[in-house]
Amino acid sequence: SQQGEEDPQALSIQEGENATMNCSYKTSINNLQWYRQNSGRGLVHLILIRSNEREKHSGRLRVTLDTSKKSSSLLITASRAADTASYFCATVTAVSGKTGKLIFGQGTTLQVKP
Amino acid sequence: DGGITQSPKYLFRKEGQNVTLSCEQNLNHDAMYWYRQDPGQGLRLIYYSQIVNDFQKGDIAEGYSVSREKKESFPLTVTSAQKNPTAFYLCASRMGNGDTQYFGPGTRLTVL
Repeated sequence: SQQGEEDPQALSIQEGENATMNCSYKTSINNLQWYRQNSGRGLVHLILIRSNEREKHSGRLRVTLDTSKKSSSLLITASRAADTASYFCATVTAVSGKTGKLIFGQGTTLQVKP
Repeated sequence: DGGITQSPKYLFRKEGQNVTLSCEQNLNHDAMYWYRQDPGQGLRLIYYSQIVNDFQKGDIAEGYSVSREKKESFPLTVTSAQKNPTAFYLCASRMGNGDTQYFGPGTRLTVL
């Protein structure tokens, strides 16, 4: 079952602009993670934010979490053509956390034009 | 190099055939996972294993089978009972109590 819904489904921006992707989920979480997938490849972990955290940074990435709204956003600043990929949020709930199960959203496809 | 390998990269199957996808990791991770990804979709969990000789069904296990005889290996068999097997299959592993999963490069299966 899909827990997360991502918005927008697709995003096209110019190099240097910022990209914001949103993820909403349905049930309470232990943590929320963002992964990146280049076309036809495996997923790469980007960042994890725990339920008691509100904001986290990693390089050009900024993730926010609003547990009252059950939503998260991923901001990529000063985007580059190499950021072109699909981005997925994945949640770990109290139940799924016992087995490490991730529940994925459907992803946002980002295109950064040079 | 440490990591997860999947083979083959591309696999073609005739209707009615069983095929086995390989997943190997040298990260010494206890838990391993198999996901299916359809075009434009997120990942759905097929099977997972938290320890050798034990595995559990995920959300879409019908038509699939797995084994976990060694810590490093978690092969997935797509059986003829799987009605729509054409998809991209991803294997992942997780260390101990960690939250992050590490993914292999994937196998694209096409039914002819």
